[in-house]
Amino acid sequence: QSALTQPPSASGSPGQSVTISCTGTSSDVGGYNYVSWYQQHPGKAPKLMIYEVSKRPSGVPDRFSGSKSGNTASLTVSGLQAEDEADYYCSSYAGSKGVFGGGTKLTVL
Amino acid sequence: EVQLVQSGAEVKKPGESLKISCKGSGYSFTSYWIGWVRQMPGKGLEWMGIIYPGDSDTRYSPSFQGQVTISADKSISTAYLQWSSLKASDTAMYYCARQRGPSGHYYYMDVWGKGTTVTVSS
Repeated sequence: QSALTQPPSASGSPGQSVTISCTGTSSDVGGYNYVSWYQQHPGKAPKLMIYEVSKRPSGVPDRFSGSKSGNTASLTVSGLQAEDEADYYCSSYAGSKGVFGGGTKLTVL
Repeated sequence: EVQLVQSGAEVKKPGESLKISCKGSGYSFTSYWIGWVRQMPGKGLEWMGIIYPGDSDTRYSPSFQGQVTISADKSISTAYLQWSSLKASDTAMYYCARQRGPSGHYYYMDVWGKGTTVTVSS
C-alpha cells in the first residue's frame, strides 16, 4: 500500500483538462509544500513535471499545473495532447524520507 | 548536459550478490544527494534511500534498511546500490536520481537515470 493515495486511472479527450488527485496526511502532503509530480511513459524513466507544489522545471509545458489544499495535492493537465498519455506519480516530503503515490494512468481518449 | 548513467541489466540467482552503479556527469557530483528508487514489475515507485557523495552520509527508508547498501566513490562520480544475498522479490527496475533538498531532506528528484533491470530467478 502506497503512502499517498491516487486514483488508478483518469482520462480525457484531446483539448480537455483533467485533474489527478493525491491524498496524504498532515505528516506529508498537508504538512509541507514539497509535493512533486512525475510523468512516466512505458519503458521510460520518470520525469519531473512539478515540484514544490506548483513550480514547473524548465522545459515542462505550462499546460501542467499543480496545487494543494489541506492533505490533498492535485495535478491538472490542460489542453490534453496525445503525448500526455502516461503514468503520473505524486510524491511528498515525509519527515526523514520521500514517499510516492501509487500512480495514475492517464488515458487520452 | 547533466546526466546519470546506470549500469546494464542483470540476471542473477537467489542468494547471489550484486552491485549496480550510477555515474553522474555534467554537474558537481559531490554537491548533490543521489537517491535510489525501486519499481517492481507493474507497480509504483518506492523511495529506497540516499547518499551524499561528498561525505558518504547515507539514509535509508525503514522498508529497505538492512536489505540493501548504498555507497559512493566520489573519485569516479559513481553511486552504488548493492545486495549481499538476492531474493526473487528483489526483481525490479532500479532508478538512481539526483535528489534536491537541504541536508538530505526529500524535496524532489530532478535528474533520473534510465534505470537498471534486476531479475532474480533460479
